[in-house]
Amino acid sequence: AQSVTQPDIHITVSEGASLELRCNYSYGATPYLFWYVQSPGQGLQLLLKYFSGDTLVQGIKGFEAEFKRSQSSFNLRKPSVHWSDAAEYFCAVGPSSGSARQLTFGSGTQLTVLP
Amino acid sequence: DVKVTQSSRYLVKRTGEKVFLECVQDMDHENMFWYRQDPGLGLRLIYFSYDVKMKEKGDIPEGYSVSREKKERFSLILESASTNQTSMYLCASSSATAIFNSNQPQHFGDGTRLSIL
Repeated sequence: AQSVTQPDIHITVSEGASLELRCNYSYGATPYLFWYVQSPGQGLQLLLKYFSGDTLVQGIKGFEAEFKRSQSSFNLRKPSVHWSDAAEYFCAVGPSSGSARQLTFGSGTQLTVLP
Repeated sequence: DVKVTQSSRYLVKRTGEKVFLECVQDMDHENMFWYRQDPGLGLRLIYFSYDVKMKEKGDIPEGYSVSREKKERFSLILESASTNQTSMYLCASSSATAIFNSNQPQHFGDGTRLSIL
């Protein structure tokens, strides 16, 4: 069965510092990978996705993520964090064939941004 | 703009009550989902539906049921609410081939925070 691990429950960074959120997955075939962000009181918004091709994908709000098959990882990065990036971030993995209906989510990483 | 609307942002009910959570999407999506979100556990899939009147169990269906009589509406039902069902509930929808082609595989509502007293 597929699974997603986000090893960091909570991360604190200063505004303007760089950010990396970790995501490791377990999946039997080529995965479809996603990062979502959830601002307080809101639903989830898609930041970026990886289906195939270039392993470095660009998303909205200046985020990027790199797919590393050898490490089963899909880490999210941002070179300079803004106070508005404070939110909870979820990594998710989906099936690469067959039913396209389900995503498996990680437990989330809460990001705090210090002024 | 695409929209998934959950009927209540906050809901307080009592143990043993029958509770209905409603979700409506305006994107003509085939797939709809109900998740619950708990601290440290992320999102866990309760039920999903891939067509009108069709439903499948997710990872944690116990204590819940669903109804999809119309394509745009997906209801989550707590037959007899219990305190361990206090949680944030998120509804989502996607098109049938969304995961391969769409920019947004699943669209989420803003959630319903349900408290069972």
